[in-house]
Amino acid sequence: DTAVSQTPKYLVTQMGNDKSIKCEQNLGHDTMYWYKQDSKKFLKIMFSYNNKELIINETVPNRFSPKSPDKAHLNLHINSLELGDSAVYFCASNRGRNTEAFFGQGTRLTVV
Amino acid sequence: AQSVTQLDSQVPVFEEAPVELRCNYSSSVSVYLFWYVQYPNQGLQLLLKYLSGSTLVKGINGFEAEFNKSQTSFHLRKPSVHISDTAEYFCAVTISGGSYIPTFGRGTSLIVHP
Repeated sequence: DTAVSQTPKYLVTQMGNDKSIKCEQNLGHDTMYWYKQDSKKFLKIMFSYNNKELIINETVPNRFSPKSPDKAHLNLHINSLELGDSAVYFCASNRGRNTEAFFGQGTRLTVV
Repeated sequence: AQSVTQLDSQVPVFEEAPVELRCNYSSSVSVYLFWYVQYPNQGLQLLLKYLSGSTLVKGINGFEAEFNKSQTSFHLRKPSVHISDTAEYFCAVTISGGSYIPTFGRGTSLIVHP
């Protein structure tokens, strides 16, 4: 009955590979997000997506792309992985701007 | 655009002592304010939120926060901390009528010593 679930929890991969992280929410929320948390714990928004609108943080490299097959899923695909992509990636969702966000457990990505 | 400043990156405190974690925001319009906690190797979970009404908000685990519009602050307090409160704490803001994307502060690491 997990509200926001991400898979995998850990991902170790080599530079240059392509990988995906999956996210699903069963809360019926309209909006989903991807955040990147660096080694200093800073949370940086990467994407937000609802039924009608994708907002991309312009600082995110275009090697990163969100894919949403339906309202309950927002997957993150990363091409040509680099060492600097190593971080913890969090998926989150909420119903609107005056409601709290619910977070997944995170995916720790290590690029070697 | 809105922004959030958490003034302390790390706050060490002894068990059973009171603690205050500071948060200031910047916005020209009305805001919604949140405090989240992140335990090691876990995602973030909500502690409390301010949407409107009473400026003193009570949350889970004995935490409370006070919204101060004139000082644009939303400081988090607990009168007596436990070892289990050791975690990272994040202040976040969304704005009324604007971008719905939550903006987070850089986090404050609360370290409770026995």
